[in-house]
Amino acid sequence: NAGVTQTPKFRVLKTGQSMTLLCAQDMNHEYMYWYRQDPGMGLRLIHYSVGEGTTAKGEVPDGYNVSRLKKQNFLLGLESAAPSQTSVYFCASSYADRKYEQYFGPGTRLTVT
Amino acid sequence: GEDVEQSLFLSVREGDSSVINCTYTDSSSTYLYWYKQEPGAGLQLLTYIFSNMDMKQDQRLTVLLNKKDKHLSLRIADTQTGDSAIYFCAESSGGSYIPTFGRGTSLIVHP
Repeated sequence: NAGVTQTPKFRVLKTGQSMTLLCAQDMNHEYMYWYRQDPGMGLRLIHYSVGEGTTAKGEVPDGYNVSRLKKQNFLLGLESAAPSQTSVYFCASSYADRKYEQYFGPGTRLTVT
Repeated sequence: GEDVEQSLFLSVREGDSSVINCTYTDSSSTYLYWYKQEPGAGLQLLTYIFSNMDMKQDQRLTVLLNKKDKHLSLRIADTQTGDSAIYFCAESSGGSYIPTFGRGTSLIVHP
């Protein structure tokens, strides 16, 4: 089992560019989440999904879009990147009946210049 | 104020016990968690405790919950250099059960 994988690991964008971060899990988890982590801050939830074809907003959803077309994949899109979106992005997944037990990917470090 | 608060740094000597503290504001918190983040990695769930418990022990880890004071602590016995990491306290409540994280406590273990 690969667990939760994220691509890419690093990326540098110019302001206004767009990109998509991919998260994949092979544990058949129903729930998937996208978080961002900024220096000295806890993780903040951007969006999450409770199942294929469904998405919901988290604490800081502005400037991001997500899609869950397949159960194992959860995509995070930035349509027009801004320097404020410089962060480390973590994807996580969990079973629906064990939401407290989240499995995290290794993270994507994004810099927007 | 923040929903989950914890001190930012803790430094201990190898072999000593470490105690990382956390306070939270939501009195309806159902689950409380401790996650560990090693450098360059994602978070890993260390342990969790239900709000109807006051203690949970798992090998070198002891979690204490004071629900009246909304205080959670993580004690690591015989701390090793491999325990150096950032430890996140988190809580969840209500129907979503999605955790709210604190800012993390950076534990530094000196030889």
